[in-house]
Parts: sequence; C-alpha cells; structure tokens
Amino acid sequence: DQQVKQNSPSLSVQEGRISILNCDYTNSMFDYFLWYKKYPAEGPTFLISISSIKDKNEDGRFTVFLNKSAKHLSLHIVPSQPGDSAVYFCAVNSAGKSTFGDGTTLTVKP
Amino acid sequence: DTAVSQTPKYLVTQMGNDKSIKCEQNLGHDTMYWYKQDSKKFLKIMFSYNNKELIINETVPNRFSPKSPDKAHLNLHINSLELGDSAVYFCASSQGRDPTNEQFFGPGTRLTVL
Repeated sequence: DQQVKQNSPSLSVQEGRISILNCDYTNSMFDYFLWYKKYPAEGPTFLISISSIKDKNEDGRFTVFLNKSAKHLSLHIVPSQPGDSAVYFCAVNSAGKSTFGDGTTLTVKP
Repeated sequence: DTAVSQTPKYLVTQMGNDKSIKCEQNLGHDTMYWYKQDSKKFLKIMFSYNNKELIINETVPNRFSPKSPDKAHLNLHINSLELGDSAVYFCASSQGRDPTNEQFFGPGTRLTVL
C-alpha cells in the first residue's frame, strides 16, 4: 500500500517555462511534507518543505502548494532551468520516518 | 568536507556472501537512517537509529543487521546475500526526530549481487 504517490514518472519542460510536479498521499493525518531533488549517482538533497498549517511555501524559484482536502501537493519551478533536470521526490515525515514517493524525472530542455 | 559519506560506492559480490557498507556523518546529528532504492527507483526506509538506539525497523529480513558504534556512524551488514538485495543503499542523517527536520543523504552504495 503506497502512501505517497507521484503518478507522473517523467516530465519534460522547455527552459524558462514552469515545471509542475505532483504528489498525492493517502493519510489525512500526515502533516509535514518535503521535496527532495536527486541527481544521478548522488543522494537526494532537500529542496523545500511545507507544514499542514500552510497551503503555500515559497523559496526563490520553488513553490510548494498543499491542498489538504484533496491530499495533494505540488512543486512549481519557475522559470525552469536546465540545471533543474533531476529526479524529484516528495516525502512525508511522520512517526519519526520519511515515506517517499517514487519520483518524477524532470528534464528541462534548453 | 563531505557531510554524509558511504563506503564503498560500488560493491559487486556473489550470492551467499556477507558484506558491509559503512556510513559516517560529520554534521553532529543524532539520528541516522538506511534506505534501499530498488530497480523501480522507490526509496524505502529500512532502519533508523537515534543516539545509537534502533527506533525503526521496517520489516527488513534479519540477514540485514545495522550497527551503530557511535552517533556519527551507522554501518549495514548483510549476511547470505541474495539476488534481490541488488539495489542502491542510501545512508542519511538528521538532527533529532522532529518531523520538520530534513534528512541529509550520502551518495549511495550500488550493490550488485551475481
């Protein structure tokens, strides 16, 4: 039973446009959500997070939106840059552990 | 300075062998984790240690035995390796068990069992 799902395994976007990565979760009790970015042959690195008391958190080009009623979060990257090409994982922190989605590979074309 | 380091980076071995992967963090964190990323790229937690004590064990076969000699190290020993153990193993650390704390990951160890 996968509690965190990223239904799009890949996404391709033109440089300068917006990238939108989506994540759905099943447990309405989850209350802290994170996005990690992973380059090949490296470990994931933390990107941005959001608490359930908020519906939006922004950090530079990255914005995370949380829709609790839909149990859905999304990561917006604008403008997208070729260096953003990576695998993006959403994660939920609960009960002392992180549960990850299966990742979306973002390709930003120059 | 590498924050979370793992050795070796690559490990190729025969079925039935016993192997270890080492992890060290120099961030002063008190909580460390092992994750397995399988062929479907799914990152799944295996173990978590807080102050050298096991706090999470996610139904991992007992062929896998983590060992934490101190807060900065969490090693993973695997007995009687099987083909299905082939994966990338990531070590991570965080400060405390506060859910708002992000984790810092090592570069991964790619284990191939032949």
